[in-house]
Formats: sequence, C-alpha cells, structure tokens
Amino acid sequence: GAGVSQSPSNKVTEKGKDVELRCDPISGHTALYWYRQRLGQGLEFLIYFQGNSAPDKSGLPSDRFSAERTGESVSTLTIQRTQQEDSAVYLCASSLAKVQGRTNEKLFFGSGTQLSVL
Amino acid sequence: RKEVEQDPGPFNVPEGATVAFNCTYSNSASQSFFWYRQDCRKEPKLLMSVYSSGNEDGRFTAQLNRASQYISLLIRDSKLSDSATYLCAAETRGSYIPTFGRGTSLIVHP
Repeated sequence: GAGVSQSPSNKVTEKGKDVELRCDPISGHTALYWYRQRLGQGLEFLIYFQGNSAPDKSGLPSDRFSAERTGESVSTLTIQRTQQEDSAVYLCASSLAKVQGRTNEKLFFGSGTQLSVL
Repeated sequence: RKEVEQDPGPFNVPEGATVAFNCTYSNSASQSFFWYRQDCRKEPKLLMSVYSSGNEDGRFTAQLNRASQYISLLIRDSKLSDSATYLCAAETRGSYIPTFGRGTSLIVHP
C-alpha cells in the first residue's frame, strides 16, 4: 500500500505478557517514529529511527520498551511484561530523511495499534 | 512546563464562524512548526506547515510569532467537516523530532 501500515490494529493482552507491534513505513522513508497516545491526550514521543539506527531513544518510558528497525524498512516496538498503564494507541509515522536544510518534511502516520492491557 | 501547549477546548462554534487557535512553544531553538488534524479515533494528518512569513491554504491561515513563541491557526467560514482535534507540533534545530501539543478540539455545529 501507499501509506504507513501498522499491525495489529487492536491488541488485548493480559498484564505481564509481552507484545510486539509492527510498523511498515512508506517505501523510501528513512525516518521512522513511534509515538504513544493515551485517551484524550497528546502524542508522547517514544523513539526515532534514521535508517536502522536510533539516534534518540529518550522517550522510551522504561526498559520494558524496546524497538528495532531492519532493512531501513519495518520496525517493531516490543513491550515486555505489560502493565495496565501501557494501554494506549501506539502510532508509527515515517517521513523522508530529515537533514540540515530540509527540516520541513511532514510525518505520515499509520492508523495505530490500540493496546489494551487487562 | 510542557514544551508545546495548547488550550484543549472544546471550541464550539456555529457554521460559518471564524475561529482561531494558538499554540505556545517553550524552546526558542524550535525552527519548524506544523498543524495536524486528527479526527476521532483516527491518525493525525498534516494540515499545513507554518512558515515564518505566514501561509494560507484556502480557508486556513497559519502564522508564526517568534518573539512571543507561538503559532496560530485561523479557520474562516467554518464547516461541519472541520470538527476535529487540531494538534500543533514544533521541531527544534537538529533534533528532527516533532513535539506535539495535546490538541485543541473544535466542534462546528449547524
């Protein structure tokens, strides 16, 4: 498809289980972002990839959260030992490479994964 | 203090009204600014980038005030379909990571 694809669209899990969320960015987009959005709240930055490397992981809330990206394409966000406070929509976005002199590149978002931890 | 702040609203306006939202940013190194629109239970989509000189796209006008560190969005002749949450985002020089406000809810009624 032409847009950012995320799977699954919904995930219900039990507290303590691990979950893996997947993001397929737009082809050719080297920048990839993960954000989290709790109900009625804004977007909380989690991690940014440029290519396969993550120059900024500062937003990951705890060491239970990790992310990787391979082939400058697909990214997975893994949450270990899920807690109820992890319940949120996890949004992935991609954009063309952001480099000096070209910073106005817009983000294209996927439709998100709604995670519910019971 | 949050890096990007918005009045959550809701702003409740009749069709045809003009409505304006402001968004303040705290980091003076912010250099790129955006307005995104998010419909209920949908992903955000770019509405417009905000340029230093201000820019207009149909009924929408975006302005940047660097001295007071805020951006604004003006919507003229509001339509029912404009009802949504409007998120502003600011990106600091060299970070390449947009920081989003929590959004302003707009409800346009008949």
